[in-house]
Amino acid sequence: KQEVTQIPAALSVPEGENLVLNCSFTDSAIYNLQWFRQDPGKGLTSLLLIQSSQREQTSGRLNASLDKSSGRSTLYIAASQPGDSATYLCAVRENTGKLIFGQGTTLQVKP
Amino acid sequence: EAGVAQSPRYKIIEKRQSVAFWCNPISGHATLYWYQQILGQGPKLLIQFQNNGVVDDSQLPKDRFSAERLKGVDSTLKIQPAKLEDSAVYLCASSRGGGGAFFGQGTRLTVV
Repeated sequence: KQEVTQIPAALSVPEGENLVLNCSFTDSAIYNLQWFRQDPGKGLTSLLLIQSSQREQTSGRLNASLDKSSGRSTLYIAASQPGDSATYLCAVRENTGKLIFGQGTTLQVKP
Repeated sequence: EAGVAQSPRYKIIEKRQSVAFWCNPISGHATLYWYQQILGQGPKLLIQFQNNGVVDDSQLPKDRFSAERLKGVDSTLKIQPAKLEDSAVYLCASSRGGGGAFFGQGTRLTVV
């Protein structure tokens, strides 16, 4: 049974810092991995999608990497801003299409 | 392209009452998901449809929850009767082929 874990559960950093969020999964037979952002009281916004054959994806200040063999993905946020404060969720998609989420990392960026 | 639409946005009901949520996925998306998200936790999959067939409903409490996706487009999730522990946000998402999933704004259910 696939399990997705995100560490840390919460993170507080000063504005301008570069930071890394971690996601690990127990079964490496995944189809793709997706990072989402969730603001309080809102739905999920897709940030980056990495297919199983890819190693990384970049969008602006965000970079996500995938190491399928070790069951790990990281989300790197460069030069963090207060507007980056949110909960970040990773989800792995199995070959059946099932999408399994981690518990999320709640990020606070202080001005 | 229109996103995933959900209604209502908010619902407050008393325990033992029934409630229904509606989802309209992105046009052309064959896969539709319903998730339950309890405050402070990650979303938990309730049911996954491929067109109008159920792919996975292993975590759906079938004694009180039901879902359908008639004609492989819109979907409805129902709870009858509701319990206090059903208070959560119910999220609908859709995807096409090997692409990513897109989520609606969710329905916040409060059971009192």
